[in-house]
Parts: sequence; C-alpha cells; structure tokens
Amino acid sequence: AQRVTQPEKLLSVFKGAPVELKCNYSYSGSPELFWYVQYSRQRLQLLLRHISRESIKGFTADLNKGETSFHLKKPFAQEEDSAMYYCALEGYNQGGKLIFGQGTELSVKP
Amino acid sequence: DVKVTQSSRYLVKRTGEKVFLECVQDMDHENMFWYRQDPGLGLRLIYFSYDVKMKEKGDIPEGYSVSREKKERFSLILESASTNQTSMYLCASSFAGNNEQFFGPGTRLTVL
Repeated sequence: AQRVTQPEKLLSVFKGAPVELKCNYSYSGSPELFWYVQYSRQRLQLLLRHISRESIKGFTADLNKGETSFHLKKPFAQEEDSAMYYCALEGYNQGGKLIFGQGTELSVKP
Repeated sequence: DVKVTQSSRYLVKRTGEKVFLECVQDMDHENMFWYRQDPGLGLRLIYFSYDVKMKEKGDIPEGYSVSREKKERFSLILESASTNQTSMYLCASSFAGNNEQFFGPGTRLTVL
C-alpha cells in the first residue's frame, strides 16, 4: 500500500539552527515526492518537488530510494519558516492524486 | 494567479442537516479534489474528479458525495451531517498531467 509517514508531529528549533523534517514513504515503484507548506492563516501551497531539484526558501530535499525517504532540510532556520509542513507522494499513473503524510509543525524560536 | 475559492470560511450545522460545500477555480483545471484536514491525520482525500460529471472515491468517501456539473465548480455534500464530520475541508485543483495542486483557503465545519 502507498503510504507517507512523517514521524514528528512537532519540531521546535532555535533561529539559526539546522532543520530536518523527516518523511518516509512506502511505494513499490518510482514515486514523485513533494513538500507542501501551510503558513499561519494562509492556504496550503507547494514548496518543492523532487524532480525539480530546486532549493526554495533555502530548503532542499533529496529523494533516497534506498531508504525510501525524502527529508526536508535547511541549514539555518528562520522564524518565518514556522509553519505546517506536509510530505506528499504521487504514484505512477495516478492522474495527479496525492497521498499526504500526517504533517509536521515546525516552530522556530527567536 | 490561480484562484481556488471556497464558499464559506466557517460553517456551523446541526446533526442530520444536509450540508453543501462549494469550490470554484478559475484556471480551467481538469482535476479537482476534496480533502479533510485533521490534526495528527494530515490531509485525507474524500473524492476527486478528472472532468465534468466524473468522480472517483478517495480514501474516506463514507458519508460524503460530490457533484461536478461545470468544469470550474466541485461541490462536496454531506447528506446527513454527523459530529465526526467536524473538520477543516480543503478543496484543490490541478491541470491534468501536472501534479501541482492549488488549494483553497478551507472551510472549517462544525457539526453540533
């Protein structure tokens, strides 16, 4: 079965500290992986996808097929990074249907 | 700028009432989705639609139905609301063949 697991409900770090939000997935083929973010009082939006290999707002994520992980990283957290982060997966030929993880709330303290 | 709008930000209904949640997108997207968002459970797909009059069940369709009579509009219907349907409901849309979904602001439904 396809599944996305985000083991941490809440991650709290101090400003300037490195951040890693964990995401593990279960899928037998080659999925597409995404990170979505929801800032306070804003709508959910795409942060980055693995195929683009971009760095968005200083965040990067590498797909590790051996460990079936897609962790989101940022070397120096900022207070404005505080938000809810969701990892998502699209399996092959799913027509745009995404499977989301449970979400991790990131809190960056001053 | 893609706009996905939802008819209400907050809604309070009584048990047993029929509830309609409306979603409209203005970017001519083929795909539309309804999710519920609950703390600790993430986003769970209720129903989705690939085209007008087409619908498919998601992971938690029980107690819900949908309607897509026009391409830009996707309605979620709770035939007989129950307290366990109290939740945040998110609508999203995307182009066919493009898996980036654009989300609405959400409707927080409370069923008393």
